[in-house]
Amino acid sequence: EVQLLESGGGLVQPGGSLRLSCAASRFTFSNYAMSWVRQAPGKGLEWVSAISGSGGYTYYADSVRGRFTISRDNSKNTLYLQMNSLRAEDTAVYYCAKDLDYGGNSGFDYWGQGILVTVSS
Amino acid sequence: QSVLTQPPSASGTPGQRVTISCSGSSSNIGSNYVYWYQQLPGTAPKLLIYRNNQRPSGVPDRFSGSKSGTSASLAISGLRSEDEADYYCAAWHDSLSGAVFGGGTQLTVL
Repeated sequence: EVQLLESGGGLVQPGGSLRLSCAASRFTFSNYAMSWVRQAPGKGLEWVSAISGSGGYTYYADSVRGRFTISRDNSKNTLYLQMNSLRAEDTAVYYCAKDLDYGGNSGFDYWGQGILVTVSS
Repeated sequence: QSVLTQPPSASGTPGQRVTISCSGSSSNIGSNYVYWYQQLPGTAPKLLIYRNNQRPSGVPDRFSGSKSGTSASLAISGLRSEDEADYYCAAWHDSLSGAVFGGGTQLTVL
């Protein structure tokens, strides 16, 4: 079955940076768009960003545009999220999710276990 | 405030049928597919319904989805205790060029 394993989370000070990674396996990675979805403590799901299968198209939520950058390395079957200028409100569990198709505007059929990012001084 | 509107809570007794609504606009539900996710306590979300009314393999047929205009619904029949979870609707939003979620509905099995 599809596996998605996030890494790179942790505690960071406001204004700091962090890079999340998501190692994917057991499917043809380059054939599918990938996304990041986050969940603040005790809150609902918030879509963060998506990237098409080739990496040629990227999409961002208004709340992170200009601060976060999504990318992928199809040779390594790995998805990334570079997070800069982090704020307290970015504190959340970040999930890596596989899209249903190539383009980046569909739902998510597999999710990672999530990784916690805490922004605090 | 979420772009898609769901009731914050729902409840039912074992064996009952419950429905959870999701209201949006012409820019999201009205022009794109709706997806439903189930999140059991302490776990990652799981896809429950895709493309309005399709069930992934392994999802019981007690779960069904429908869409009409700018609204969608998730129905759960033959309610079981293990259905107690948070449920989220989602859709692509054209003018935002991004996915949007509902605020989530916490389902309690009494």
